[in-house]
Amino acid sequence: QVQLVESGGDLVKPGGSLRLSCATSGFTFSDYHMSWIRQAPGKGLEWLSYINSGGNPTYYADSVKGRFTISRDNAKNSLYLQMNSLRAEDTGVYYCARDRSWSDDYWGQGTLVTVSS
Amino acid sequence: QTVVTQEPSLTVSPGGTVTLTCASSTGAVTSGYYPSWFQQKPGQAPRALIYTTSNKHSWTPARFSGSLLGGKAALTLSGVQPEDEAEYYCLLFYGGPQPWVFGGGTKLTVL
Repeated sequence: QVQLVESGGDLVKPGGSLRLSCATSGFTFSDYHMSWIRQAPGKGLEWLSYINSGGNPTYYADSVKGRFTISRDNAKNSLYLQMNSLRAEDTGVYYCARDRSWSDDYWGQGTLVTVSS
Repeated sequence: QTVVTQEPSLTVSPGGTVTLTCASSTGAVTSGYYPSWFQQKPGQAPRALIYTTSNKHSWTPARFSGSLLGGKAALTLSGVQPEDEAEYYCLLFYGGPQPWVFGGGTKLTVL
């Protein structure tokens, strides 16, 4: 069965960095585009970033452009999100999701990122 | 900045029918926005329900249906069950450098 498992969430100070990972199984990872979506505490979903099945192109929300970098390793069936210059407003649960037909069909359970001094 | 608007909250009786809508600040929502819908229960990850306006995933209950209605994307629940109480989000595709925007969500109460 399709599985996506995020990891790497942690408590980090403002200005710090963090790298999230999303390990996938149950499908041919290299065939699918992937996305990161986040949810601030008590708030709605926010689309963050997309990466094509081959690694290019990539797209970012304005809120993270220039600070976050999405990448993938098709040999390891894994998706990544490098987050730099973190701010308090980056606090939330980060989900990876598999893209299908201009949407996301399978989601991971999320990993919590807390940015606080 | 593009804004996608949903009803903040709706209430429906068990067994009833309710329609949630999803509007775009850019104008009428068409099939070209590939509207999709997600359900999220407290403490859980979102679950996909509908994609490309009206297509259901293999796990989507038959009582859920998607459509376009009056220039908006719509999600209709017919024969609502208590377990349908949840937050519902729509997602629209705009293309360009920031291709996707989520709606703010609708909290559905079954009472």
